[in-house]
Amino acid sequence: GAGVSQSPSNKVTEKGKDVELRCDPISGHTALYWYRQSLGQGLEFLIYFQGNSAPDKSGLPSDRFSAERTGGSVSTLTIQRTQQEDSAVYLCASSSDRGEKLFFGSGTQLSVL
Amino acid sequence: QQPVQSPQAVILREGEDAVINCSSSKALYSVHWYRQKHGEAPVFLMILLKGGEQKGHEKISASFNEKKQQSSLYLTASQLSYSGTYFCGTSPGTYKYIFGTGTRLKVLA
Repeated sequence: GAGVSQSPSNKVTEKGKDVELRCDPISGHTALYWYRQSLGQGLEFLIYFQGNSAPDKSGLPSDRFSAERTGGSVSTLTIQRTQQEDSAVYLCASSSDRGEKLFFGSGTQLSVL
Repeated sequence: QQPVQSPQAVILREGEDAVINCSSSKALYSVHWYRQKHGEAPVFLMILLKGGEQKGHEKISASFNEKKQQSSLYLTASQLSYSGTYFCGTSPGTYKYIFGTGTRLKVLA
């Protein structure tokens, strides 16, 4: 595709359920990023991938959060046993190389009831 | 660790200028600037690299002081379309980018 694609665009779930968020980066982009944005707040770094490897997972808020990337392409962010404080927009971005601009997807709005 | 931006918010009239600052406590290799409109994804504006190279928007300029670990974004002759939240993203030279606290800018007619 022409841009970064994220799905679903909206997800409503009940507290305690698991959710999976998907990101399809721009073809050929080696770096992939996950950020979280709470209402009216800034961009909170979660994790980034270089190829299929995640050199820095320091931003993941708790062990309920995990992410993987396969084939150097699609990435999935999984949140287990969701809590209300997990409600936010989850943004994915990709870039072609270190230092190059990030292209952001439209995000997944997660609401935990 | 998160870069600090100032001001937090600014209101301008069309045609006025604005400066947005970004300050980091860590050594930087590059700084990115992005603009996010309400309900939309952030959009790239500018990259500043250590050594002075700049790549980005024609109508927006920026500076990068490596020694002070600071960057400033200069918006001149602002237009209504400049409204949004501006974020700086900083990197110590790795792939990891940490974004600043954000500056909300509103341009009035």
